[in-house]
Amino acid sequence: DSGVTQTPKHLITATGQRVTLRCSPRSGDLSVYWYQQSLDQGLQFLIQYYNGEERAKGNILERFSAQQFPDLHSELNLSSLELGDSALYFCASSVVPGEGFSYNEQFFGPGTRLTVL
Amino acid sequence: KNEVEQSPQNLTAQEGEFITINCSYSVGISALHWLQQHPGGGIVSLFMLSSGKKKHGRLIATINIQEKHSSLHITASHPRDSAVYICAVATLIQGAQKLVFGQGTRLTINP
Repeated sequence: DSGVTQTPKHLITATGQRVTLRCSPRSGDLSVYWYQQSLDQGLQFLIQYYNGEERAKGNILERFSAQQFPDLHSELNLSSLELGDSALYFCASSVVPGEGFSYNEQFFGPGTRLTVL
Repeated sequence: KNEVEQSPQNLTAQEGEFITINCSYSVGISALHWLQQHPGGGIVSLFMLSSGKKKHGRLIATINIQEKHSSLHITASHPRDSAVYICAVATLIQGAQKLVFGQGTRLTINP
């Protein structure tokens, strides 16, 4: 158990709908990362937050948004869902983001499996 | 060409065999993760390394920074080692450390 929690574990919804995925980082971790794992694309970085502020963006669609709250939990909002959004969504956390060429280890949550029908 | 390439993509072996999974990358890195993903989907970090070699039980990970190559070895493989193994490199992109992932190696160990 990494100490990172994600809810829900599974989510089934229809095209056009909106869903919210939730992540609680390890105790003491200030940085949260979201990743998408689809069958054809593998694991891809979506977005990173540090202490409530967006820190870095990856391949995140405009229909997706995220935020990190004062208690450090994070939510990933996916709207106007399409069949291709079906994937595993992982959250990871680290103490702080790496600075410059320094990397701080990330710990992964169990993931949320999203199925869009 | 992907920035992180793993080989082989699929590997089937008999219980007890010595397993090697390779990872080559083309970017400058700060660190490299080896991750394990079981059929249930959860990801577990096996190793994080930036130089040399690390050992944990039957698992050994090595990295050669000059050659931009890492290997994951499993000694005395067991059916419970069956999983997808993913190499991920931490690299500086647009001022932030980001993980870039290989496509994974699906390992099946038969009893």
